[in-house]
Amino acid sequence: GNSVTQMEGPVTLSEEAFLTINCTYTATGYPSLFWYVQYPGEGLQLLLKATKADDKGSNKGFEATYRKETTSFHLEKGSVQVSDSAVYFCALRKFTGNQFYFGTGTSLTVIP
Amino acid sequence: EAGVAQSPRYKIIEKRQSVAFWCNPISGHATLYWYQQILGQGPKLLIQFQNNGVVDDSQLPKDRFSAERLKGVDSTLKIQPAKLEDSAVYLCASSQLQGSSYEQYFGPGTRLTVT
Repeated sequence: GNSVTQMEGPVTLSEEAFLTINCTYTATGYPSLFWYVQYPGEGLQLLLKATKADDKGSNKGFEATYRKETTSFHLEKGSVQVSDSAVYFCALRKFTGNQFYFGTGTSLTVIP
Repeated sequence: EAGVAQSPRYKIIEKRQSVAFWCNPISGHATLYWYQQILGQGPKLLIQFQNNGVVDDSQLPKDRFSAERLKGVDSTLKIQPAKLEDSAVYLCASSQLQGSSYEQYFGPGTRLTVT
């Protein structure tokens, strides 16, 4: 079947610290991979995506590389800011059928 | 471009009552999704429409939940009768086929509390 496993939170970091949120997936075929972010009181927003192996998605200083050999799509940022405090969701889209599967989310709090 | 619209934003009902949620997707988006997001969990797909046809409703509790998408645009999700465990945020999302990238755009959600 298809599923996404995310690193459990919550994660608390000081401003300018390095961030890694682990994500691994199980899927048949060739899924596309996504990171979504949910700020307090808001809906989910697409943060970045990768559609094939070895692709690197990037946005707002965040990066994630689609690793087929390790079935992973870890989210990284070199220097987090207080404004990055949010819940981050890893997701995959099935190769056929257009269905999405989400991880349970990782809550990040960045303190000044 | 306007985003995905949902209403109401908040709803409080008693168990065994009924409730309906409305979603207006981004113009031109053929695919529409309803998700249930329980506190502390990721979104769980309830139903997926392609135009006005159902693609996947395998996780929709059909004894109490129903959804329709008339004319392939707006959609409504109904719960009748509601149970305490239905308390959650109900998210609507839409997507348009764009080559190999099927991005979803989410609405703000409807927070349902069942007492």
